[in-house]
Amino acid sequence: EVLLVESGGGLVKPGGSLRLSCAASGFTFSNAWMNWVRQAPGKGLEWIGRIKSKSEGGPTDYAAPVKGRFTISRDDSKNTLSLQMNSLKSEDTAVYYCTTETEVALGHNAMDVWGQGTTVTVSS
Amino acid sequence: DIQMTQSPSSLSASVGDSVTITCRAGQSISSYLNWYQQEPGKAPKLLIYAASSLQIGVPSRFTGSGSGTDFTLHISSLQPEDFATYYCQQSYSSPPTFGQGTKVDIK
Repeated sequence: EVLLVESGGGLVKPGGSLRLSCAASGFTFSNAWMNWVRQAPGKGLEWIGRIKSKSEGGPTDYAAPVKGRFTISRDDSKNTLSLQMNSLKSEDTAVYYCTTETEVALGHNAMDVWGQGTTVTVSS
Repeated sequence: DIQMTQSPSSLSASVGDSVTITCRAGQSISSYLNWYQQEPGKAPKLLIYAASSLQIGVPSRFTGSGSGTDFTLHISSLQPEDFATYYCQQSYSSPPTFGQGTKVDIK
């Protein structure tokens, strides 16, 4: 069974840092493109960033609101995706999901597996 | 960034009804459009990819159509488990962007 399990969420003060993890199982993690998507309370889905597989150079790509503050990394030996969040703001309060991104049809990618999410609250 | 706009933002329907949700892209995205379903308190789930292809395990009462800028998700004969929020997402260019969501609730 393909499974993603996020952890590391919690309460942090504005300006603080937090590191989220996503443990993957049931698929070849090292070949997978991985994303982080967040959802603020009562709001819609917002893509945060992506990391491609190391065989493709492992490049990362970030959404403008988090670029320079958040860093996505992967440890293929531990099948783990990470999200390092620095300089946190109240508007970063959200449920954070990790997802796989798969070429589901020729040339077409989709986020086909999602974790259950972990909650980050930024508040003084 | 490509803006995605869904309509309506919410709708009420009864079990057995058919509903249609519309998603419009700010520029042509060919058929690079995915639909997700999010039940309350749960993670989103991929329903349809490439505008009209059903993800494995998704019931055939869900159909997607469209290309270019205008897309639709149609649900025929709503079931109790279909009351959820639906999001479209473009995969044409980075950053991937989502519509604001359409909540389908029970009338």
